[in-house]
Amino acid sequence: AQSVTQPDIHITVSEGASLELRCNYSYGATPYLFWYVQSPGQGLQLLLKYFSGDTLVQGIKGFEAEFKRSQSSFNLRKPSVHWSDAAEYFCAVGAYQAGTALIFGKGTTLSVSS
Amino acid sequence: KAGVTQTPRYLIKTRGQQVTLSCSPISGHRSVSWYQQTPGQGLQFLFEYFSETQRNKGNFPGRFSGRQFSNSRSEMNVSTLELGDSALYLCASSDMGARETQYFGPGTRLLVL
Repeated sequence: AQSVTQPDIHITVSEGASLELRCNYSYGATPYLFWYVQSPGQGLQLLLKYFSGDTLVQGIKGFEAEFKRSQSSFNLRKPSVHWSDAAEYFCAVGAYQAGTALIFGKGTTLSVSS
Repeated sequence: KAGVTQTPRYLIKTRGQQVTLSCSPISGHRSVSWYQQTPGQGLQFLFEYFSETQRNKGNFPGRFSGRQFSNSRSEMNVSTLELGDSALYLCASSDMGARETQYFGPGTRLLVL
């Protein structure tokens, strides 16, 4: 079955510390991979996406993610977290055959402590 | 460009009623997708419309339907509301679909009493 797993429901990171959010997927077709962020009361904002090519992708707000096919993972990283990064983060997978239908993970809530 | 807009932002209905939600995509975008977000099930794909035709559909009952107009605006309708339909309904627009970035609106929060 197609699925996305985000193992960490909630993570707390000190401001200025590095961050890694984990994402594992199970998908039959060649996947497209996305990370979205959602602040309270807001819609989803795309942080970055992977379709093909370089497996290390850069996104907005200083985020990056690395696609590892052998591990079926697409972990999100940021070298130095800011208080404004506190939000809920969603990993999603799609494919050309699936059109716009994305499968989302359950999300990871990030809290930033001072 | 203006972003994706959704109306209304909040809605309260009672069981058995029906509801219509509206989504205006980014100007020039022809694909509109709808998602349901609940604490228990997370984000789930409902359906996608492209050039007034439903192009893809998720695993939801027939009570959930949608349509798209010639100006790409889309509506989704839920008939015979159930308590479990309480959710945040998000729409997303993109130019062509699959390989394009989907831009999400702020959502409509529906509460069914």
